[in-house]
Amino acid sequence: ETGVTQTPRHLVMGMTNKKSLKCEQHLGHNAMYWYKQSAKKPLELMFVYSLEERVENNSVPSRFSPECPNSSHLFLHLHTLQPEDSALYLCASSQDLYARNNEQFFGPGTRLTVL
Amino acid sequence: GQQVMQIPQYQHVQEGEDFTTYCNSSTTLSNIQWYKQRPGGHPVFLIQLVKSGEVKKQKRLTFQFGEAKKNSSLHITATQTTDVGTYFCAGQAAGNKLTFGGGTRVLVKP
Repeated sequence: ETGVTQTPRHLVMGMTNKKSLKCEQHLGHNAMYWYKQSAKKPLELMFVYSLEERVENNSVPSRFSPECPNSSHLFLHLHTLQPEDSALYLCASSQDLYARNNEQFFGPGTRLTVL
Repeated sequence: GQQVMQIPQYQHVQEGEDFTTYCNSSTTLSNIQWYKQRPGGHPVFLIQLVKSGEVKKQKRLTFQFGEAKKNSSLHITATQTTDVGTYFCAGQAAGNKLTFGGGTRVLVKP
C-alpha cells in the first residue's frame, strides 16, 4: 500500500458513456498527477495539480476533464472516449511540486477499456 | 522543455548475468530518481541521487549519478527472475517538476 488509492480498478465503457476515475491520497501531499500508460508511451503525464490548482495540462483532449476538489482527492471525468484511449490510468502524489526530495507515490491504476 | 531519455528500451537478460540501463537528461539535474514497475503493478520509488558522481547500492542494484549531473545508470548484477519489470528514471532540474524517462523493460531468461 502506497497511501494512494484509485477506483475503479477496471472499467469498460462505450464511446458514448460518461464515467469518472477517482484518486485519493492519505499522505498529506500537496501535488497530484494523472498519467496515462500504454504500450506506445510508458508514462505520459496528463495533468498536474498543486494545492488544488491545475498547473499543467499536457495537450490532453477535452474529452478528459480533471477535477481536484481538495488536496486529497483527484478525479478524471471521461466523456465520449475513443478506443485508442484504452490504457492504464495512474494517479500519483508527492509532497510538493518542486521540492528536492520529491518522491512520487503511485496508486494501483485504473485499467480502462473503451469499446 | 526538459527531456529524459532511457536506453535501451528493452533488455533481454540471461538469469545470472549483469546488465546496465542508462538515463540521459537534456538539462542539468538537481536530483534523479529511479522507480521499478513490476508486470501488472505500478511504479514504486527505489532511490534518489543528489550529488555529482554519487553512487548508491541496494543489494545487487548499483545506481550512479554522472559528474555533470545530466546522466545516470542502474547496474544489476547476477540478474534474477524477480528483477523482471520496467525501470524508470526521473530527473528534476532546479525549480522544475520531476520528468520521467521512457523506461527500460527488463525480461529475464531462466
